[in-house]
Amino acid sequence: ETGVTQTPRHLVMGMTNKKSLKCEQHLGHNAMYWYKQSAKKPLELMFVYNFKEQTENNSVPSRFSPECPNSSHLFLHLHTLQPEDSALYLCASSQEDRTNQPQHFGDGTRLSIL
Amino acid sequence: QKEVEQNSGPLSVPEGAIASLNCTYSDRVSQSFFWYRQYSGKSPELIMSIYSNGDKEDGRFTAQLNKASQYVSLLIRDSQPSDSATYLCAVNPRMDSSYKLIFGSGTRLLVRP
Repeated sequence: ETGVTQTPRHLVMGMTNKKSLKCEQHLGHNAMYWYKQSAKKPLELMFVYNFKEQTENNSVPSRFSPECPNSSHLFLHLHTLQPEDSALYLCASSQEDRTNQPQHFGDGTRLSIL
Repeated sequence: QKEVEQNSGPLSVPEGAIASLNCTYSDRVSQSFFWYRQYSGKSPELIMSIYSNGDKEDGRFTAQLNKASQYVSLLIRDSQPSDSATYLCAVNPRMDSSYKLIFGSGTRLLVRP
């Protein structure tokens, strides 16, 4: 148990579907992150939220839409995805959006686009 | 040039040996360095952080940082088969307030019984 819970663990969707990924952290942290992990590629930072405010959008296509209603919850809304979006999506949290704060990861959602 | 580089491996060592994992980074002003371990199908798990030049020891793990040469390494003493995993190096490349952690592709470690 990492203290960061992601649901669902696996998701298969068509390119025209709309779905959402959910992340919840029980660590009392104030910063939350979405990462994409593709096979044989480094983890790619997608979005950063600090105290519910988005502080980083790493040039992510608009078909990915994040939402952070409070410091404990983070969503990633998906619509009209492409096959190359198939990957493991990881959520992480840290105490704050600061350089020396370690990030703690959830187990991820394995996303497959048909 | 990749911002954080790691040899993909696999690095194969016998049980009980020292495993040495290396990472180089391109941004000279990087301040924070982390090592994560990721088992297959699992999330990355933080095992070490280091911020100053020199060595930092935690149990069987030692992180080494050399900012002048822009490398950070992880030594695992008395390697066990349970240490077999992918080890990710992560670097924060900037001194500003934007916390953009850059990861390497990871080195796969295989510890042979």
